[in-house]
Amino acid sequence: GAVVSQHPSRVICKSGTSVKIECRSLDFQATTMFWYRQFPKQSLMLMATSNEGSKATYEQGVEKDKFLINHASLTLSTLTVTSAHPEDSSFYICSAPPGTTNEKLFFGSGTQLSVL
Amino acid sequence: DAKTTQPTSMDCAEGRAANLPCNHSTISGNEYVYWYRQIHSQGPQYIIHGLKNNETNEMASLIITEDRKSSTLILPHATLRDTAVYYCIVRVAGTGGFKTIFGAGTRLFVKA
Repeated sequence: GAVVSQHPSRVICKSGTSVKIECRSLDFQATTMFWYRQFPKQSLMLMATSNEGSKATYEQGVEKDKFLINHASLTLSTLTVTSAHPEDSSFYICSAPPGTTNEKLFFGSGTQLSVL
Repeated sequence: DAKTTQPTSMDCAEGRAANLPCNHSTISGNEYVYWYRQIHSQGPQYIIHGLKNNETNEMASLIITEDRKSSTLILPHATLRDTAVYYCIVRVAGTGGFKTIFGAGTRLFVKA
């Protein structure tokens, strides 16, 4: 089946630094990818929709200058957490549909970000 | 907001069937019902989806009521590894396409 690879799986950084998370579709092309954030014991919250070749669409309340999304190719989307603060510590997960309208989503394995 | 409601948690004995209900009373005629599960600290895993007919695959069965306002996910022989949070999802239309919005899900505990 289709595979979505997410890297890194875990990152620890100092407050004020920026962190980049990569999401790759390994055996299919994804014009759209989705980025989620999950805090402990909570559900996944959709942050933004990444669109290949155009600007990402952010959900209400998500700062686009804080969470930079780039979808430069049909197999790669990146999320950069800029000037990270401890409150940005969370589990970040990407996902992609393999193509057709009613297909399921494939999810990456997630990135645990800890900001010290 | 999510378009589904599910019980917060459920218990199931190992080897028995786990029946997880979901209400989606506002579902439109052409919207699918999707089920995913998430095991701790992992990305969600797709289980099954359906429109109006019952569906079965190697993981589970999905029973959708005739009026499509509710559905039940059935794990026929639950194992300890099925302990997870199960999400029932009806996608939400957004700018440029559909979005998968997660509700709180059902935390299933499979007990030995």
